[in-house]
Amino acid sequence: DAGVTQSPTHLIKTRGQQVTLRCSPKSGHDTVSWYQQALGQGPQFIFQYYEEEERQRGNFPDRFSGHQFPNYSSELNVNALLLGDSALYLCASSYQGGYGYTFGSGTRLTVV
Amino acid sequence: AQSVTQLGSHVSVSEGALVLLRCNYSSSVPPYLFWYVQYPNQGLQLLLKYTSAATLVKGINGFEAEFKKSETSFHLTKPSAHMSDAAEYFCAVILSGGYNKLIFGAGTRLAVHP
Repeated sequence: DAGVTQSPTHLIKTRGQQVTLRCSPKSGHDTVSWYQQALGQGPQFIFQYYEEEERQRGNFPDRFSGHQFPNYSSELNVNALLLGDSALYLCASSYQGGYGYTFGSGTRLTVV
Repeated sequence: AQSVTQLGSHVSVSEGALVLLRCNYSSSVPPYLFWYVQYPNQGLQLLLKYTSAATLVKGINGFEAEFKKSETSFHLTKPSAHMSDAAEYFCAVILSGGYNKLIFGAGTRLAVHP
């Protein structure tokens, strides 16, 4: 039974570029949440997708956007990258927005 | 407003010693509470959760936590530390009325020395 799969595992981008991160939820899960974990800090909630709609959003600028596909997989897009966007991006899936989260191993984004 | 506070960004214990990681929450309504562990270059693994059932919660790897409403605390303990327990530990809460959004503390890095 596959857990949450995130790709790529590592990524290096230049300031001003755009990036897309991908997440496949655990089998049977239909809700995807994204978190940003800066170095030495706890994860911060970015947004949550359920039924292909953004259901809740954290305190992140509009440069951060997302999408959920009919197969429940999700993408996180970040435009106009800043150095401060360097972080580990975690995807977590759950069933019908419940609190039984399963986390992926994350994508390490480095902006230079 | 800070919803969850972890006291001590670094904790160091000897192998075999008691592990105590502190977590306090700020909420007038008892929230759902969680402890997660993160090993280097990995995601988060759930250790245990409190969801308004028994106040003493047992988790994986010998960890347990006690919910104390009067102290607004949910401290994590393990009677005897093992070298493999060295990792980052995060306390998290889910507040009512928020689509079950997890709010994390800043984390506590646990070091275990021989």
